[in-house]
Amino acid sequence: NAGVTQTPKFRILKIGQSMTLQCTQDMNHNYMYWYRQDPGMGLKLIYYSVGAGITDKGEVPNGYNVSRSTTEDFPLRLELAAPSQTSVYFCASSYWPSGERNEQFFGPGTRLTVL
Amino acid sequence: GDSVTQMEGPVTLSEEAFLTINCTYTATGYPSLFWYVQYPGEGLQLLLKATKADDKGSNKGFEATYRKETTSFHLEKGSVQVSDSAVYFCALSDLAGGTSYGKLTFGQGTILTVHP
Repeated sequence: NAGVTQTPKFRILKIGQSMTLQCTQDMNHNYMYWYRQDPGMGLKLIYYSVGAGITDKGEVPNGYNVSRSTTEDFPLRLELAAPSQTSVYFCASSYWPSGERNEQFFGPGTRLTVL
Repeated sequence: GDSVTQMEGPVTLSEEAFLTINCTYTATGYPSLFWYVQYPGEGLQLLLKATKADDKGSNKGFEATYRKETTSFHLEKGSVQVSDSAVYFCALSDLAGGTSYGKLTFGQGTILTVHP
């Protein structure tokens, strides 16, 4: 049982390049999330999904896109990388968004640098 | 909107010292409250949680009590170890207003370093 996996672990991009951050979970969770963590700050929500085919914007969606074609996968796409997108990106999933089963499981993160 | 405020860090302690990390929150509804821990080079792990007022979450010697009257969820441990060195995040999940997706609102994190 791998939990939440993310690839790559590290990446350096040039301004204007594109890339996709991969996220996969094997817990059959419906809810999935993408966060970014900037130095000295808490995590901020970029996009989330409540199930296959359903996605919506979080607090900081500009410059990103997502898709959710399967329950397991929730890739995050950067179309035109900018220095402001230098951050650590975390994917998370949960079985249910409330009550006793409201626990988000996090992947190990992708450290992205845009130069 | 929702917000979480944690005490400023970093916090440096000697092994076996008492730990308190303060956390206060603002929310429109009746949030669930969480403490997450991030060890160096790793993702966040849930440390403990509380889903209603006066609940106490506990795990690995850490405790926090959901205080609605003071809107607080302070993290405590009686005797810290070197292995507790990590970044600790307080967070809330608020389902008020029909936002049923469980978004977490995080504090800025507190770096804890424990020396032998």
